[in-house]
Amino acid sequence: EPEVTQTPSHQVTQMGQEVILRCVPISNHLYFYWYRQILGQKVEFLVSFYNNEISEKSEIFDDQFSVERPDGSNFTLKIRSTKLEDSAMYFCASKSGSYNEQFFGPGTRLTVL
Amino acid sequence: RKEVEQDPGPFNVPEGATVAFNCTYSNSASQSFFWYRQDCRKEPKLLMSVYSSGNEDGRFTAQLNRASQYISLLIRDSKLSDSATYLCVVNAGGGSQGNLIFGKGTKLSVKP
Repeated sequence: EPEVTQTPSHQVTQMGQEVILRCVPISNHLYFYWYRQILGQKVEFLVSFYNNEISEKSEIFDDQFSVERPDGSNFTLKIRSTKLEDSAMYFCASKSGSYNEQFFGPGTRLTVL
Repeated sequence: RKEVEQDPGPFNVPEGATVAFNCTYSNSASQSFFWYRQDCRKEPKLLMSVYSSGNEDGRFTAQLNRASQYISLLIRDSKLSDSATYLCVVNAGGGSQGNLIFGKGTKLSVKP
């Protein structure tokens, strides 16, 4: 069964450093998403991406964040200058059509020291 | 503000019990509704979509009441493997590309 994959599974970084989180969505999917979940809290939407551009972003997704789909398979989330409060689990998700269910990757646990 | 509210839990039930979870959502423009389950420190996994007519998948039954903006999930004959956090999820609606709004989840613990 096809699945969303994410690397790395765990990233530890120093405050102020840049990190890139990588995702490979399911191959025939067209809509891509990043969510985050701070420990003990609910899953929160960050950004959606369709047709090679951002379609929607939340208040959390400020100028420190960017997304890219550099080739036909990868979908990346970059945080330019990490803050302590960026520590969270980051989930990538994808879906095939407008009204279809989203499937989530296993997540990257980001720890900012 | 678009919110999804769920039973606070936790629910501790014996194997074989029937358990029901409730959820309300605030955004009347939401068009799609789901229950996901999340195991500790894992990703949300789709359990089932929820349709206006109600739908059933084995031991799981989901109901949607659009007028009351209320969603429910019923689990019959609980198994130990059902222990997880159950997330009520709706799409943001209003022409968005379907980003999801999650509830905080209700933790279920099924005991032998």
